[in-house]
Amino acid sequence: TQLLEQSPQFLSIQEGENLTVYCNSSSVFSSLQWYRQEPGEGPVLLVTVVTGGEVKKLKRLTFQFGDARKDSSLHITAAQPGDTGLYLCAGATDKLIFGTGTRLQVFP
Amino acid sequence: SAVISQKPSRDICQRGTSLTIQCQVDSQVTMMFWYRQQPGQSLTLIATANQGSEATYESGFVIDKFPISRPNLTFSTLTVSNMSPEDSSIYLCSVDRGTGGEDGYTFGSGTRLTVV
Repeated sequence: TQLLEQSPQFLSIQEGENLTVYCNSSSVFSSLQWYRQEPGEGPVLLVTVVTGGEVKKLKRLTFQFGDARKDSSLHITAAQPGDTGLYLCAGATDKLIFGTGTRLQVFP
Repeated sequence: SAVISQKPSRDICQRGTSLTIQCQVDSQVTMMFWYRQQPGQSLTLIATANQGSEATYESGFVIDKFPISRPNLTFSTLTVSNMSPEDSSIYLCSVDRGTGGEDGYTFGSGTRLTVV
C-alpha cells in the first residue's frame, strides 16, 4: 500500500510567519502534486513536480521534490489569512493517492 | 482543464436507503475517479471508472456497496447503497487533465452526505 504521510497535521500561525509542510513516502511517484482545499469545495491543484530535486515557486509558495522522488515540501513565506485551508500532497502513478493532509489556519 | 458538475451538493439520508451521486464533465475523458473524504480527513480513492468496462475498486471498497456507472465519456454515477451513519462523508469525483495525471487532476465540488 502506498502511503503519503504529511507533517504537521495541524498548523496555527499568525499572519506574516513562515511555515513548511512535509510530505513523505516510501514509494517513488512519477509526479508529486500539491492541492489546497477550502470548505465546501474540491481540492484545487497548486503545482506538480516531476523531476527529482525540482524546485518550483508560486508567488509566496515554494515547492520542492526530493532527489529520490519520494518526498516533497511546501514552504509558505509571510503567510496570510487567505492561505488558510487544507493542504494535500498527492502522488501520481496510474491513479492519484493523497497524503494525510495538513490543516493550516492563519490568524490576522 | 475540464469543468465538472457534481450533484447533489449535499443530502441528508435515512439509514438503509441509497443515494446516487452524478458527475458530468464538459469534455470527454477516459477515466473518472471517485473519492471519499471522511470528516476532517484526507481523500481516499474508492474506484476508477472507465467507459465500457467495470470500475476498478480499491482495497476496502466493493461494488455491492458502491456501484458505479459510466455510460459514456462525459458522465458517471456513484451510488452509496444501504447507507449507515459511517457512510457520512464528502464524496468527490475527479478527472485528470489529459496527460495521464501528471498535470494534475480536476475535482468536482463534492457531495456532502449525512446519514441519520
